[in-house]
Amino acid sequence: AQSVAQPEDQVNVAEGNPLTVKCTYSVSGNPYLFWYVQYPNRGLQFLLKYITGDNLVKGSYGFEAEFNKSQTSFHLKKPSALVSDSALYFCAVREENFNKFYFGSGTKLNVKP
Amino acid sequence: DTAVSQTPKYLVTQMGNDKSIKCEQNLGHDTMYWYKQDSKKFLKIMFSYNNKELIINETVPNRFSPKSPDKAHLNLHINSLELGDSAVYFCASSQDGGGGPQRELFFGEGSRLTVL
Repeated sequence: AQSVAQPEDQVNVAEGNPLTVKCTYSVSGNPYLFWYVQYPNRGLQFLLKYITGDNLVKGSYGFEAEFNKSQTSFHLKKPSALVSDSALYFCAVREENFNKFYFGSGTKLNVKP
Repeated sequence: DTAVSQTPKYLVTQMGNDKSIKCEQNLGHDTMYWYKQDSKKFLKIMFSYNNKELIINETVPNRFSPKSPDKAHLNLHINSLELGDSAVYFCASSQDGGGGPQRELFFGEGSRLTVL
């Protein structure tokens, strides 16, 4: 069965420091992995995705994510956090027969000035 | 131009009423979805249509009935509303045909339903 886990409900980081939001997944076939961001009272916005190829994926707003097959992880990272990065972040995995997206429970990122 | 638009954005109604939410996408996508986000922010897939054909129908009470008149529109009708139906309902779309599972979802801004 496919699933996604985001082990941290909340991540706190100071502005200017690097940030990591964790995600692990479980799929039966090849993983298609996604990160989304949700600002208050808004819809989810696509940040980046891993399909195949390079394990380091670059996305919008300076975010990147590292795919690690042996650890079944797809952690979201940013070298220098901004206060405006404060939001709810969702990791998602898609089945190989591509009908369903499975979303993690979300991680609230708080960036303090 | 809004890619995925939902109406209404806010909906407050009494228990037992019937209400509808509409969604339209102008991205030319062939697949549309309804997701429910509860008060704890969990996202749950409800339905998906591909080219007007229902392809995902999760364990949802049959008071919820989706309809897709064409591939650019997906509506959600809810009968006999209950308190537990209060949530934010998101419409989303993706281009699955010719693209495969690597195609991401595009979300609308959500419709916040409050049942009193």
